Amino acid sequence: EIVLTQSPGTLSLSPGERATLSCRASQSVSSSYLAWYQQKPGQAPRLLIYGASSRATGIPDRFSGSGSGTDFTLTISRLEPEDFAVYYCQQYGSSPPIFTFGPGTKVDIK
Amino acid sequence: QITLKESGPTLVKPTQTLTLTCTFSGFSLSTSGVGVGWIRQPPGKALEWLALIYWNDDKRYSPSLKSRLTITKDTSKNQVVLTMTNMDPVDTATYYCARFSTSTYYYYGMDVWGQGTTVTVSS
Repeated sequence: EIVLTQSPGTLSLSPGERATLSCRASQSVSSSYLAWYQQKPGQAPRLLIYGASSRATGIPDRFSGSGSGTDFTLTISRLEPEDFAVYYCQQYGSSPPIFTFGPGTKVDIK
Repeated sequence: QITLKESGPTLVKPTQTLTLTCTFSGFSLSTSGVGVGWIRQPPGKALEWLALIYWNDDKRYSPSLKSRLTITKDTSKNQVVLTMTNMDPVDTATYYCARFSTSTYYYYGMDVWGQGTTVTVSS
């Protein structure tokens, strides 16, 4: 079973700054099966990125995803006030088909 | 417009069985590649995947909870039902259902989520 680790646990930044979030898998993951979500307090998660680098519908281009193998990155180029939230990476394992979520990275206001 | 909504009891007693229903609209669970998953989130904690069901009725469960979970679908009613047996206070959480889609060698993410339903396990 693949385990996802996210770092840092908390990222304290100011609006306008760049955020770089890491997701590391315990074994190689196909980039086609890696997604990122944003969750704000009291809300359901929202899909940001799928296929490691494809933005979901309606997601601003300041969000970008990259990576392959065991190391994946979510980058927010310039933080907007509404971007302060918790971010989760997720892996879809096709054989057997199961989902795994990382523990999350909280991006809070410095 | 695609929507999903979870429903079920807000309070269950320890050892009881929880039954949650996800009622959806705007898509068909008969469409190739489409599935519905259940995810939960204890207060202040991370997301945890529980179970999924595909358009072809293939079902998968979290290895750690497999013995307690059953997922079914009723395509005619646009519903997916999750049952969890032997509930314990540690199962207190918000439970979400979400649509996802896949194709050969690709996963498009859980693109639409329900609002979640909070379940408390207490005597």
